[in-house]
Amino acid sequence: EPEVTQTPSHQVTQMGQEVILRCVPISNHLYFYWYRQILGQKVEFLVSFYNNEISEKSEIFDDQFSVERPDGSNFTLKIRSTKLEDSAMYFCASSVRQPNYGYTFGSGTRLTVV
Amino acid sequence: RKEVEQDPGPFNVPEGATVAFNCTYSNSASQSFFWYRQDCRKEPKLLMSVYSSGNEDGRFTAQLNRASQYISLLIRDSKLSDSATYLCVVNNFGNEKLTFGTGTRLTIIP
Repeated sequence: EPEVTQTPSHQVTQMGQEVILRCVPISNHLYFYWYRQILGQKVEFLVSFYNNEISEKSEIFDDQFSVERPDGSNFTLKIRSTKLEDSAMYFCASSVRQPNYGYTFGSGTRLTVV
Repeated sequence: RKEVEQDPGPFNVPEGATVAFNCTYSNSASQSFFWYRQDCRKEPKLLMSVYSSGNEDGRFTAQLNRASQYISLLIRDSKLSDSATYLCVVNNFGNEKLTFGTGTRLTIIP
């Protein structure tokens, strides 16, 4: 079964440092997403990406965040200057069409900011 | 009012029993509905989409009531492997994002 692959599985970073979380979506999927889940809380939408541009973003996705699809396969989330409250599980997801058909999520990157 | 509301549980249910979860959503423009399951510290996995006519997948039955803005999930003959958090998820018309409930935690007891 096709998978969404995320690396690293766990990243520890110091407050104020930049981090890049990486994702390889399923190859024939066209829509890409980042979500996050703070420990003990619900899964929250960050951003959606289609046709090489952001199609929707949430209030959480402020100027500290950016996304990129640098080549035909990778999809990255960059956090420029991490804060303690950025500590969370970050999930990448992809879908072949818009969400009506559900997504496939990657296994996540656990980001710990110290 | 929360956009998607679920009873957080926990539900502790003996193996073989039937268990039902409910979920309400606040936005009448919601158009797509899903149940996802999430194991501890893992990613959400799509369990099933929910259709207006109701749908069944093996031991799982999902129902949607648009008038009451209510979604349900029924699990029959529960197995130990059904222990997980069940997430009610909604997509609103014109939006890309999925909106998740906080989840209902289910533990099946041997």
